[in-house]
Amino acid sequence: GQQLNQSPQSMFIQEGEDVSMNCTSSSIFNTWLWYKQDPGEGPVLLIALYKAGELTSNGRLTAQFGITRKDSFLNISASIPSDVGIYFCAGQFYYQLIWGAGTKLIIKP
Amino acid sequence: GAGVSQSPSNKVTEKGKDVELRCDPISGHTALYWYRQSLGQGLEFLIYFQGNSAPDKSGLPSDRFSAERTGGSVSTLTIQRTQQEDSAVYLCASSSYRGPNYGYTFGSGTRLTVV
Repeated sequence: GQQLNQSPQSMFIQEGEDVSMNCTSSSIFNTWLWYKQDPGEGPVLLIALYKAGELTSNGRLTAQFGITRKDSFLNISASIPSDVGIYFCAGQFYYQLIWGAGTKLIIKP
Repeated sequence: GAGVSQSPSNKVTEKGKDVELRCDPISGHTALYWYRQSLGQGLEFLIYFQGNSAPDKSGLPSDRFSAERTGGSVSTLTIQRTQQEDSAVYLCASSSYRGPNYGYTFGSGTRLTVV
């Protein structure tokens, strides 16, 4: 079945550092999405990508949709404490979302 | 309502018991989705409703799982004869149109623990 490979599984960073995570797939998706999930909450949409090669920013977040539509990365610049959480990539397949396993972001004190 | 509401937020049940999980979508959203999230995993699609109909039930893990939606609004996910492997967070999402491009909003989930 379809699946997304997301890496890294977790990241320990210092406040102020830049963060990069990515997702790859063996399948083509027409839409890629990046979500953030805080403890005890549902995922919240950060960025949606619709076109191959598209580069989109949302504040300190930047995401790109790969040319082949089989991969995407998310960058967070100048991380702050509220960035901690789990970041998920998801590919849209008709009305379903196919999810990566998540990248847990932890900021070292 | 203003957001997607799920209840209960936490449920502990004994193995073999039945449980019902409720989702109250955003008013006017015609599409409703149930997902399951196991610890350290991404979300797993369970079922999709468009109105009261469920065009796709393919994600339901076994015949112990069923879901219904009434009045194009509230949905209930029922798990019969619960097993320990059913322990997970069950998330509901709704959207005003098919697909996540159109305001696909998640609730906070129901954390189910089967003991």
